[in-house]
Parts: sequence; C-alpha cells; structure tokens
Amino acid sequence: GAGVSQTPSNKVTEKGKYVELRCDPISGHTALYWYRQSLGQGPEFLIYFQGTGAADDSGLPNDRFFAVRPEGSVSTLKIQRTERGDSAVYLCASSGTPGREQYFGPGTRLTVT
Amino acid sequence: AQKVTQAQTEISVVEKEDVTLDCVYETRDTTYYLFWYKQPPSGELVFLIRRNSFDEQNEISGRYSWNFQKSTSSFNFTITASQVVDSAVYFCALSEGYSGAGSYQLTFGKGTKLSVIP
Repeated sequence: GAGVSQTPSNKVTEKGKYVELRCDPISGHTALYWYRQSLGQGPEFLIYFQGTGAADDSGLPNDRFFAVRPEGSVSTLKIQRTERGDSAVYLCASSGTPGREQYFGPGTRLTVT
Repeated sequence: AQKVTQAQTEISVVEKEDVTLDCVYETRDTTYYLFWYKQPPSGELVFLIRRNSFDEQNEISGRYSWNFQKSTSSFNFTITASQVVDSAVYFCALSEGYSGAGSYQLTFGKGTKLSVIP
C-alpha cells in the first residue's frame, strides 16, 4: 500500500512569508506526528494528532507554528512569518496505534532566504 | 526527561566487516519503547526494529541483530558482514509510555553515520 506522502518536497520562501506543508498519512493510521530535522541532527518532535485533535503540541517552538488535521487524515503544518532559523526538513510520520512503529514520509525541505 | 545518546558520530568499515552501533538511553518510565531507524542518502527514514521495555530478548533479522540490556540502558545494533548498501545514518529512538499526553513521541539520538567501503 501507499506510504506516507508529503508535499511539496522542496519549498523556498522569503523571510516573513507564510508557508503550508502537507502530509498524507498511511490510510487507516489514526496517529500522526510532525518532526523537524536540522542538518546533522536527529528529528525533533513538533506535534501529535490522534484523530482530528492535536493531543500534544508541546514541541512547537512558538506560536508562529500551527497544524491542523480537520478530517482525521491529511494534516497541514502552517508556519507564519517564517524566519531563516525555520529552515530544516519537516517530516511527517503516522502510526496505526500510538506506541507502535512510526512510518515516515520523505519530508519537505524548507529553505527560508 | 528522556534522552538518547549515540556517541559514535561516524564509523567507517570495509565491506564484510562486522560493525556495532551504540545507543544509550535515559528514561524515568518503566514502560518505554526503543527503535532503530535507517536514513539512507535518499533521506527517507526507514523503520528497522521496535522493542518494549519488558522484552530483553535479543533479536536477529538476517545480518542485523540487536542487543537490549536494561542494566546498562543500552540498545546496540550490530550489522554482520556489512555491505555498501548499509551505508546510511542510523538513528536510535525512545518513546515513553506516559509522557506527552500519551503521544509516544519519539526522542531521537543524533545518529551515527556508517560508511561501508568496498
């Protein structure tokens, strides 16, 4: 079956602009995660959805970051007033059950100029 | 707070050599899960294994084996008879049973870059 997909694969934006990153999880997976990976580092947790609700957003760095999952499937990560420090690869993962293995998408490489 | 340490930043081996990647973790929970992921040059994280804290049995899958020791808080990964295709960054990760509103978010180490030289 299809894995986790993310679009776009690359996004270049200017400082101060707004961006949206999309994640389409594995069909039937209720748990969805966003992570951010900087060069040479492991992924860092941003936010977790169980179904439609954001059950844990403790990893979001500040209020410029927001994510939604309105129908319990596709999720969108939204970043307002982007800063150069937001440049990273944003990874989405899904899991059939929290605690089970998470399957990752290919990521969106965000570059803020 | 949970923490994962992968002390080896980079390792180079010659093809067919065995190699062990170290992982040490910290957690206050008694229920937790440990994982290994592979990130090849293409960039996509590939799941390799998941173990729960109550199962210390070592596991073997083909050329891969994992040694889980709660006494030393380690979950090491060995590749036997390494191949060029094993070249990648390998991440160890931990999720706790009762943190983050039950999210089971993964805490990753910084990764070990393995280069297998033909």
